[in-house]
Amino acid sequence: EDQVTQSPEALRLQEGESSSLNCSYTVSGLRGLFWYRQDPGKGPEFLFTLYSAGEEKEKERLKATLTKKESFLHITAPKPEDSATYLCAVQGSGNTGKLIFGQGTTLQVKP
Amino acid sequence: DVKVTQSSRYLVKRTGEKVFLECVQDMDHENMFWYRQDPGLGLRLIYFSYDVKMKEKGDIPEGYSVSREKKERFSLILESASTNQTSMYLCATGRTPGRAIFSLHFGNGTRLTVT
Repeated sequence: EDQVTQSPEALRLQEGESSSLNCSYTVSGLRGLFWYRQDPGKGPEFLFTLYSAGEEKEKERLKATLTKKESFLHITAPKPEDSATYLCAVQGSGNTGKLIFGQGTTLQVKP
Repeated sequence: DVKVTQSSRYLVKRTGEKVFLECVQDMDHENMFWYRQDPGLGLRLIYFSYDVKMKEKGDIPEGYSVSREKKERFSLILESASTNQTSMYLCATGRTPGRAIFSLHFGNGTRLTVT
């Protein structure tokens, strides 16, 4: 069964304190791994898609990396506006286009 | 930018009522999805549709049905609302025909409370 586990559940950082969020997955034939950002009261907003191990993508202070078993979302010198819940999702070859989501990591960045 | 509009941000209904949640997208995407999001359980897929009049069950379809009469509109129906259907409901759309890889674009959600 395809599964996604994110850790930690919650993370508090001081502004400028870099850290990483983890997304571990088991899936039959990974077709894509997705990162989303969700602000309170809003729907998830797409950040990145990663397709194969070794791939990396960057956007401002965020960098996503992928191995065969997990993905990391690295946050460099975060700002308070980076505070949000970050969701990871996978699409496998056997699940006909459906995305399987992790439970998310809630990040709080204090000034 | 893709715009996915859900008809209500907040909705309060009574047990046993029939509830309609509407979702409209303006980018001609083939694929549309309904998820519910609950604390500790994450996003769970209820139903999805790859084309007009097509629908497929997701992971938790019990107690729900859907309708897609037009490409841009996907409705979620709670035939007889129950308190365990109190949740945040999220509509999403995605481009590409068939079942290839794509990213989802979400609406801002409808927070439904069933009393």
